[in-house]
Amino acid sequence: EAGVAQSPRYKIIEKRQSVAFWCNPISGHATLYWYQQILGQGPKLLIQFQNNGVVDDSQLPKDRFSAERLKGVDSTLKIQPAKLEDSAVYLCASSRISGRTANYGYTFGSGTRLTVV
Amino acid sequence: EDQVTQSPEALRLQEGESSSLNCSYTVSGLRGLFWYRQDPGKGPEFLFTLYSAGEEKEKERLKATLTKKESFLHITAPKPEDSATYLCAVQRPGQGAQKLVFGQGTRLTINP
Repeated sequence: EAGVAQSPRYKIIEKRQSVAFWCNPISGHATLYWYQQILGQGPKLLIQFQNNGVVDDSQLPKDRFSAERLKGVDSTLKIQPAKLEDSAVYLCASSRISGRTANYGYTFGSGTRLTVV
Repeated sequence: EDQVTQSPEALRLQEGESSSLNCSYTVSGLRGLFWYRQDPGKGPEFLFTLYSAGEEKEKERLKATLTKKESFLHITAPKPEDSATYLCAVQRPGQGAQKLVFGQGTRLTINP
């Protein structure tokens, strides 16, 4: 089974610029998550999709962050304009089951490391 | 608000020196507690899920245990390849599908 694919792996931008990240989940996984992981911290959920719909975006800074999941498969996360504090690793994850987590948690991609200068 | 606190933040051990990592949590009704391993430059990799106090799970040199307030990840006779950051996370009912709240992690280094 292919894993969660993310691109790019690294991105360096200046503050106030915009950036987009792409995620392709595991085939058949209905639920997709975007997490932000600041250096030295645990991942924090930004947004969760169930198929095409948003389940939870309560911690997404909506004035600058946006995300979409077209056709219930791939997803993009955008930041516009970026701030210095957005420097972090952006992790995408997917899972098969909605509701009960089953015994395997979810599968994470390797992430995109964003540096805002 | 759900809170997850891991200790210590960092731990250095000699190869073969057993120890434990701690994860304390505050959550209204625990649905599951998860342990992940994260290597540098990679996403977290799932290790265990624990659902109720008293439950234990093992995988190679790792054993996870759960009480009503905390979880321990015991590592027995570790090897250098066990060096990684270990994350725990909690899930509670009613948060939609599978939202996890993570601790800050414990960075484990095993010296040969």
